Amino acid sequence: GAVVSQHPSWVICKSGTSVKIECRSLDFQATTMFWYRQFPKQSLMLMATSNEGSKATYEQGVEKDKFLINHASLTLSTLTVTSAHPEDSSFYICSARHRNEQFFGPGTRLTVL
Amino acid sequence: RKEVEQDPGPFNVPEGATVAFNCTYSNSASQSFFWYRQDCRKEPKLLMSVYSSGNEDGRFTAQLNRASQYISLLIRDSKLSDSATYLCVVRRGSTLGRLYFGRGTQLTVWP
Repeated sequence: GAVVSQHPSWVICKSGTSVKIECRSLDFQATTMFWYRQFPKQSLMLMATSNEGSKATYEQGVEKDKFLINHASLTLSTLTVTSAHPEDSSFYICSARHRNEQFFGPGTRLTVL
Repeated sequence: RKEVEQDPGPFNVPEGATVAFNCTYSNSASQSFFWYRQDCRKEPKLLMSVYSSGNEDGRFTAQLNRASQYISLLIRDSKLSDSATYLCVVRRGSTLGRLYFGRGTQLTVWP
């Protein structure tokens, strides 16, 4: 199957700092990528849909100014958590659509102190 | 009401047991159905799609009841390696539609 990578795999940061997470499709081009967040023992919740060359579409309740998404190329989407707070600590997972199937990145575990 | 509801478990079964997971979805417009497997601190991975007529993949059997909006997964002859969280996932509309995830059912298979 298609491969999606994420970097970093884990990050610890201080409250108030910004963190950038990269999502790459390694062997295919993805015009659409998705960003999810998963809290412990909870389901994956879609945060936003990232479209190459255009603005991301955010789900209700997700602050677009706090979670900045950039999809500048067909193989890279980035999510920046600005002014992170402890409640932003979570598992962030991206996915990319390829041939009618979604492939997930390995996730990024964010801990905000 | 949540889009996808699952019994979170946990299910603890011995090796060789048969175990069944259930899932219900709320939106009758849902068109595609899947079971994903998620290991601890890992990303979800597609286990199998679920078709209207029911389908089987080795020890795994999935069933769909559109009238009841109910999906099931049966695992026969459980292995230790089956221990994971199983996510019920539905998609509305076309193949471009977004995915909705259940919170998952945790399975532990013990020797």
